[in-house]
Amino acid sequence: NAGVTQTPKFQVLKTGQSMTLQCAQDMNHEYMSWYRQDPGMGLRLIHYSVGAGITDQGEVPNGYNVSRSTTEDFPLRLLSAAPSQTSVYFCASREGQGGYNEQFFGPGTRLTVL
Amino acid sequence: SQKIEQNSEALNIQEGKTATLTCNYTNYSPAYLQWYRQDPGRGPVFLLLIRENEKEKRKERLKVTFDTTLKQSLFHITASQPADSATYLCALDPLDSSYKLIFGSGTRLLVRP
Repeated sequence: NAGVTQTPKFQVLKTGQSMTLQCAQDMNHEYMSWYRQDPGMGLRLIHYSVGAGITDQGEVPNGYNVSRSTTEDFPLRLLSAAPSQTSVYFCASREGQGGYNEQFFGPGTRLTVL
Repeated sequence: SQKIEQNSEALNIQEGKTATLTCNYTNYSPAYLQWYRQDPGRGPVFLLLIRENEKEKRKERLKVTFDTTLKQSLFHITASQPADSATYLCALDPLDSSYKLIFGSGTRLLVRP
């Protein structure tokens, strides 16, 4: 199993550009989520999904959209990039919704917005 | 307000000693608490989970305690090695039916040879 995969690994955008960060998992996990990680701020939840067709907002959803058309894929869209969105983005999945399930993380996407 | 706090200062210890990392939380009542390891440039990796009715959990050189009265978890690495150098994150399920996993900001551990 590849686990959780993310593309691209690195990306530089100009302010106002849009892009999609891709995330896929091959473990048939129902729960998927996106985090951003900034120095001293830890992992902050952007959006999450409890199954195909179901998404909800996390702590910092503004400026990001998500969709979940399949169990495997959970892309994150930046509609109009801003320098404040410069961060490292992690996608994660887990088998179920409960806090007793370990969460598997992707390798991350390092995004710089100029 | 709800908070999860981990020491932001790096913990610097000598190889062979026991490292102890702290996770404190406020205004949460989690049923589970998890610990993860993160190496530079990589995603976090799950290490251990402890339930609220478990006082202690062990896995090889790792030990986690969970004190729901103090609202604190301690993470111990015994006989530490330079390869244990990493950032360690705690996480909890806020049990608000949102199914979120909320993370602390992590503590960096440096083990000197």
